[in-house]
Amino acid sequence: SAVISQKPSRDICQRGTSLTIQCQVDSQVTMMFWYRQQPGQSLTLIATANQGSEATYESGFVIDKFPISRPNLTFSTLTVSNMSPEDSSIYLCSVEVPAGGSYEQYFGPGTRLTVT
Amino acid sequence: GENVEQHPSTLSVQEGDSAVIKCTYSDSASNYFPWYKQELGKGPQLIIDIRSNVGEKKDQRIAVTLNKTAKHFSLHITETQPEDSAVYFCAANPSGYSTLTFGKGTMLLVSP
Repeated sequence: SAVISQKPSRDICQRGTSLTIQCQVDSQVTMMFWYRQQPGQSLTLIATANQGSEATYESGFVIDKFPISRPNLTFSTLTVSNMSPEDSSIYLCSVEVPAGGSYEQYFGPGTRLTVT
Repeated sequence: GENVEQHPSTLSVQEGDSAVIKCTYSDSASNYFPWYKQELGKGPQLIIDIRSNVGEKKDQRIAVTLNKTAKHFSLHITETQPEDSAVYFCAANPSGYSTLTFGKGTMLLVSP
């Protein structure tokens, strides 16, 4: 398994501003992912972040709005830029770790963002 | 792309009863099917998973079954307890890659 922490745990931001969310994992991992969970909804993948390469974004998500950094194998950041109320969501990072000859994916506790 | 359907959206059971949540997927290349439990205010917790070379897997009161031919998999919880109350998500990995596509979730309520 993996122990994942996120900062901040929650925030209330004004529209037009940006927020950077940090994700720290207790072991070195190759694959890290960022998901969005809108209120009462399921999880939607924003992007895959591998160390040493550009993040890969899913359809509907762009780098200008959600820039991602992955400076090393234990840390990543997601920035939510020029926020609007529609960006109010839980943002979750997850990591893929080896398990029994394959891989498992674990999630952090999430960052609860409210945009006013 | 992958499409994961999950049913039911809500499930209410009495303590001690069994609960079953079902998911179907569309991508025949998917080979990894995890289940997550999400309690209020917390991140999703991996509770059990199954891979395409296995038909059933059990861990104490929780079991998962997979039918690759029919492209469906199910979560079974026996002897439910109030602390099992949470939202449960199924997921599948499209094209066999690492990314996951999630179902819409099932809110399970276990009444004492």
